[in-house]
Amino acid sequence: EPEVTQTPSHQVTQMGQEVILRCVPISNHLYFYWYRQILGQKVEFLVSFYNNEISEKSEIFDDQFSVERPDGSNFTLKIRSTKLEDSAMYFCASTRAYEGNTIYFGEGSWLTVV
Amino acid sequence: AQTVTQSQPEMSVQEAETVTLSCTYDTSESDYYLFWYKQPPSRQMILVIRQEAYKQQNATENRFSVNFQKAAKSFSLKISDSQLGDAAMYFCAYRSEIQGAQKLVFGQGTRLTINP
Repeated sequence: EPEVTQTPSHQVTQMGQEVILRCVPISNHLYFYWYRQILGQKVEFLVSFYNNEISEKSEIFDDQFSVERPDGSNFTLKIRSTKLEDSAMYFCASTRAYEGNTIYFGEGSWLTVV
Repeated sequence: AQTVTQSQPEMSVQEAETVTLSCTYDTSESDYYLFWYKQPPSRQMILVIRQEAYKQQNATENRFSVNFQKAAKSFSLKISDSQLGDAAMYFCAYRSEIQGAQKLVFGQGTRLTINP
């Protein structure tokens, strides 16, 4: 069964450093997402991406965050200058279309900012 | 904006018994989708079951079934014959059908413990 894959599974970074989280969505999917889950809390939407542009973003997704699809297969989340409160599990997800199709999640990238 | 509420932070059940996890949501939309996701200790998000709001019939997937009450905006998950592998965090989620507003909105989660 096709899967969403994410790398790295775990990253520790110094506060203020840039981090790039990578995702390979399922190959025939068109809509891509990043979600965040701070330890012990619910899963929060960050951003959705379609047709090479952001279709929606939450208030969490400020100027420190950016996304891109550099080569038609990878989908990346960049955090420009990490803060302690960015420590969380980051999930990439994808779906084939928006008409209620199920959103499939990757296994997550656990980011620890120290 | 849509909200999803799971009022049970924790639930426990004896192995082989049945447990029901509650979920309510708030929306002004008539067409939408509801999901239950399971998050085991590995923290991966695994789809358990989905329900289309336009369908009156409750969705079922093997030992998992839902009780979808559209008027009451309630969407509970029933797990029958509970197994040790069912132990996980369970998240209820809402997804709009409106174009461009297709993100998932999650509840706070319910931690399910299975007692052997």
